[in-house]
Amino acid sequence: SQQGEEDPQALSIQEGENATMNCSYKTSINNLQWYRQNSGRGLVHLILIRSNEREKHSGRLRVTLDTSKKSSSLLITASRAADTASYFCATDAGKSTFGDGTTLTVKP
Amino acid sequence: NAGVTQTPKFRVLKTGQSMTLLCAQDMNHEYMYWYRQDPGMGLRLIHYSVGEGTTAKGEVPDGYNVSRLKKQNFLLGLESAAPSQTSVYFCASSPGFQETQYFGPGTRLLVL
Repeated sequence: SQQGEEDPQALSIQEGENATMNCSYKTSINNLQWYRQNSGRGLVHLILIRSNEREKHSGRLRVTLDTSKKSSSLLITASRAADTASYFCATDAGKSTFGDGTTLTVKP
Repeated sequence: NAGVTQTPKFRVLKTGQSMTLLCAQDMNHEYMYWYRQDPGMGLRLIHYSVGEGTTAKGEVPDGYNVSRLKKQNFLLGLESAAPSQTSVYFCASSPGFQETQYFGPGTRLLVL
């Protein structure tokens, strides 16, 4: 079974709105990462948060980690059409670490 | 730096044919990975390597073999291709196990 599972599967918002997607995992981790994949391309690393961190920021991205609930969230503020992509979380535990992703569509 | 490169970009095989996908990285990373991604799904780990001369099985290793003879290269082989192996294959590398991974652009493989 997969370690990281994203929710929702799909999200559609208007440009300027915020987008929140969640990730749940099953076993203890040292770190959790978020990646973006534009259609037909390889994954691009967005942010890594370690198990002793609760929140991390990078530009318009905000990631939180709750190890007691084994969950993480990725918030994209003031979304742009260029943010349209699939977003994946991954952990450092287990052999199957990527979920099926959240497909975000930002409408101009 | 080129980062992670993959060759070829696209390939069509007939059932039973063999081929090798090449992944190269110039970041001096110890760890390298091969994933497959089927439409609408996430990545599934096929094999990985924790250093030159080492390989290990991932989640879906059957039908694939790998070799890491040089630190910068990780080869994925299909000995007898099957239609179920039609997919997009991604290679990645990282400085530590499942630390930040740097991905190649992918290889699209179609097995007829």
